[in-house]
Amino acid sequence: GNSVTQMEGPVTLSEEAFLTINCTYTATGYPSLFWYVQYPGEGLQLLLKATKADDKGSNKGFEATYRKETTSFHLEKGSVQVSDSAVYFCALSGGNSGYSTLTFGKGTMLLVSP
Amino acid sequence: KAGVTQTPRYLIKTRGQQVTLSCSPISGHRSVSWYQQTPGQGLQFLFEYFSETQRNKGNFPGRFSGRQFSNSRSEMNVSTLELGDSALYLCASSSGEDTGELFFGEGSRLTVL
Repeated sequence: GNSVTQMEGPVTLSEEAFLTINCTYTATGYPSLFWYVQYPGEGLQLLLKATKADDKGSNKGFEATYRKETTSFHLEKGSVQVSDSAVYFCALSGGNSGYSTLTFGKGTMLLVSP
Repeated sequence: KAGVTQTPRYLIKTRGQQVTLSCSPISGHRSVSWYQQTPGQGLQFLFEYFSETQRNKGNFPGRFSGRQFSNSRSEMNVSTLELGDSALYLCASSSGEDTGELFFGEGSRLTVL
């Protein structure tokens, strides 16, 4: 079945540092890939998505490229801010489960200090 | 445009009781999904409803059930509560066009004592 593996946290960075959160997936067919973010006390929000190989999703300075050859969708940001502190979830839809159902990774907490 | 609204936000129950959680999706959205979030298991899919029909179901016991009304509002019910049912239950709505883009509510935090 579908699965998503992402690096465990917490990831602790200073403001303006470079961020990478690794994400790899297992799925049949052609899944769509997503990064969702959860700020403290809130529900999840879609951060970015990519629907086919080599697509790059981007939003608010975050980027991720759909790499089918390495089954990866790593999240990057060139310069993090304190306000980026949150839990980040990599997810996929499609494959075995249909496109209306998301399979999530365990989440990676990001802590950014001033 | 109003977001996804879940009620209640917090509740405490004891083992053996049952609980009903409610979700109002974004206006115009016909699909509602439910997810359970726990520190140990992360986010796990419970079920999805589209136009009042269950379209997908996750791997949870029959104690977990749901339904959707004609106005797309959804409820989920957990019967015979166990301590392990303590979790944040998240509702998400979408247009139903199978894009995988979901809009989540803030969740209902259930504590079972």
